[in-house]
Amino acid sequence: EPEVTQTPSHQVTQMGQEVILRCVPISNHLYFYWYRQILGQKVEFLVSFYNNEISEKSEIFDDQFSVERPDGSNFTLKIRSTKLEDSAMYFCASRVGRGSVQPQHFGDGTRLSIL
Amino acid sequence: RKEVEQDPGPFNVPEGATVAFNCTYSNSASQSFFWYRQDCRKEPKLLMSVYSSGNEDGRFTAQLNRASQYISLLIRDSKLSDSATYLCVVTTPGGFKTIFGAGTRLFVKA
Repeated sequence: EPEVTQTPSHQVTQMGQEVILRCVPISNHLYFYWYRQILGQKVEFLVSFYNNEISEKSEIFDDQFSVERPDGSNFTLKIRSTKLEDSAMYFCASRVGRGSVQPQHFGDGTRLSIL
Repeated sequence: RKEVEQDPGPFNVPEGATVAFNCTYSNSASQSFFWYRQDCRKEPKLLMSVYSSGNEDGRFTAQLNRASQYISLLIRDSKLSDSATYLCVVTTPGGFKTIFGAGTRLFVKA
């Protein structure tokens, strides 16, 4: 069964450094998402991406965040100048198009630890 | 009012029990509804989509009441492997924004 893959599984970074989280969505999927989950808290929507542009973003997704689909297969989340509070699990998800009733499929996440 | 609200839990039930999860959502324009399960420190995994007509998948039954903005999940004949956190998920029109409930933790004991 095709799956969403994320790398790395764990990233440790010094506060203030830039970090790039990578995702390879399922190949025929058209909609891509990033979420974060702080330990012990709920899954929070960050951003959705369709047709090479951001469709919607949350209040969390401020100027320190950016997303890109550089080569037609990867979907990346960049965090500039990381803060301690960026420590969380980051999940990528994708879904096939043709209506929002299609469920999203999640990667197994990148655990980001900011020191 | 929270955008998506679930029973706080946790639920502790014996094997074989029937357990019901409840969820309400605040945006009447919400378009799609799902139940996911999440094991500890793992990714959310789709359990089932939820349709207005109600739908069933084996031991699992989901219901949607758009008028009441209420979603439910029923698990019959609980198994030890059903122990997880159950997440109610709602999307806005177009599916571009997804809102998760805080989840309800289920412990099934032998």
